[in-house]
Amino acid sequence: SQELEQSPQSLIVQEGKNLTINCTSSKTLYGLYWYKQKYGEGLIFLMMLQKGGEEKSHEKITAKLDEKKQQSSLHITASQPSHAGIYLCGAFLYNFNKFYFGSGTKLNVKP
Amino acid sequence: NAGVTQTPKFQVLKTGQSMTLQCAQDMNHEYMSWYRQDPGMGLRLIHYSVGAGITDQGEVPNGYNVSRSTTEDFPLRLLSAAPSQTSVYFCASSYSYGAQNYGYTFGSGTRLTVV
Repeated sequence: SQELEQSPQSLIVQEGKNLTINCTSSKTLYGLYWYKQKYGEGLIFLMMLQKGGEEKSHEKITAKLDEKKQQSSLHITASQPSHAGIYLCGAFLYNFNKFYFGSGTKLNVKP
Repeated sequence: NAGVTQTPKFQVLKTGQSMTLQCAQDMNHEYMSWYRQDPGMGLRLIHYSVGAGITDQGEVPNGYNVSRSTTEDFPLRLLSAAPSQTSVYFCASSYSYGAQNYGYTFGSGTRLTVV
């Protein structure tokens, strides 16, 4: 959706390198969610950020929420080929009924 | 637990045909949604439901109908298929408690081609 902008649109990194994906909202965020989609498959929930300044980590993936800037970043440390896929941010923007997604970031990790 | 089950996985329709995409969840989630995913456009919300008997439109509702007669099922109906409806369709469900929604669980998708 245009309300959620993700950058970059695609990313190719060498295995072992760090990378960051950004998600910026033009509307007030009621929570920010990160999902991963393997090519041709459904979406897998990664993590949820509810409060400004909140930071969560799962294995080598860390996400932060800057509520004032209405943006979130997803950082992968020491990337591996298993990290390849499409990363999507999602958020409730107007209320807790409608959930919107960013356009996604395609990540390829070269062995 | 099966989670969110979508059927069929693949479908080819002729222009003008109608069909129903099925979605069922066994997690007693009150929220259910339908999205379509097109290259370069991410996922766009078609219709959503906040509980049995309650549905509303999302970003791209034209050409689609939904109903929610039970908590478990949320079928998506294509009334008269058009080539522009060629897409991958995802159904998702979630639950919320208080002011917090715990994120959506997605089905594996239905790949629809309209010729």
